[in-house]
Amino acid sequence: EIVLTQSPATLSLSPGERATLSCRASQSVSSYLAWYQHKPGQAPRLLIYDASDRASGIPARFSGSGSGTDFTLTISSLEPGDFAVYYCQQRNNWPPTFGPGTKVEIK
Amino acid sequence: EVQLLESGGGLVQPGGSLRLSCAASGFAFSTSAMTWVRQAPGKGLEWVSSIAGSAGTTYYADSVKGRFTISGDNSKNTLYLQMNSLRAEDTAVYYCAKDYLAGQLSYYFDYWGQGTLVTVSS
Repeated sequence: EIVLTQSPATLSLSPGERATLSCRASQSVSSYLAWYQHKPGQAPRLLIYDASDRASGIPARFSGSGSGTDFTLTISSLEPGDFAVYYCQQRNNWPPTFGPGTKVEIK
Repeated sequence: EVQLLESGGGLVQPGGSLRLSCAASGFAFSTSAMTWVRQAPGKGLEWVSSIAGSAGTTYYADSVKGRFTISGDNSKNTLYLQMNSLRAEDTAVYYCAKDYLAGQLSYYFDYWGQGTLVTVSS
């Protein structure tokens, strides 16, 4: 099973700042990595799939990059609604696995 | 508009059973792959089970294989998760999710429900 590690665990930033979230896989997942946003009590939301493709309706301030074992989610300028937990997920190897999450909180 | 609404969660004793339902609308349920994902208290997301294709091929995490059964009723646009021999470690919020690719199981999930809480405790 592929283990995904996310860093940092918590990111404290102010609205308007740039957020950079990292996801590292225990072995290569090629480009088969997704990012989700999850707010308490709400349904998770697909942001990015195949490492860098934005899902339908996702604003351009969200971007993904990376391949192999190292991936990054960047939020170019944080808006109030962006404070949430972000999970990466791989589908290259079965079973699909999720990272432990990065909480982006208001500083 | 795609909507997924889970129900059926609750408190159950260890060894007990529970059936979760997920009512789907706004998309072609009969040709969509569907998945259950859970989140234990204070933990991250864990893939549980998926069902795909017209033949309804099913897949399970090792942690639930032999105890949980995923199924779908196309006439009711509803996904189910039958959970037997429940354990304390099955305590979690259970989400149903729709696969991103139409007609295929890609293991990317573009729509999710808001979840239903299952608590296994005596």
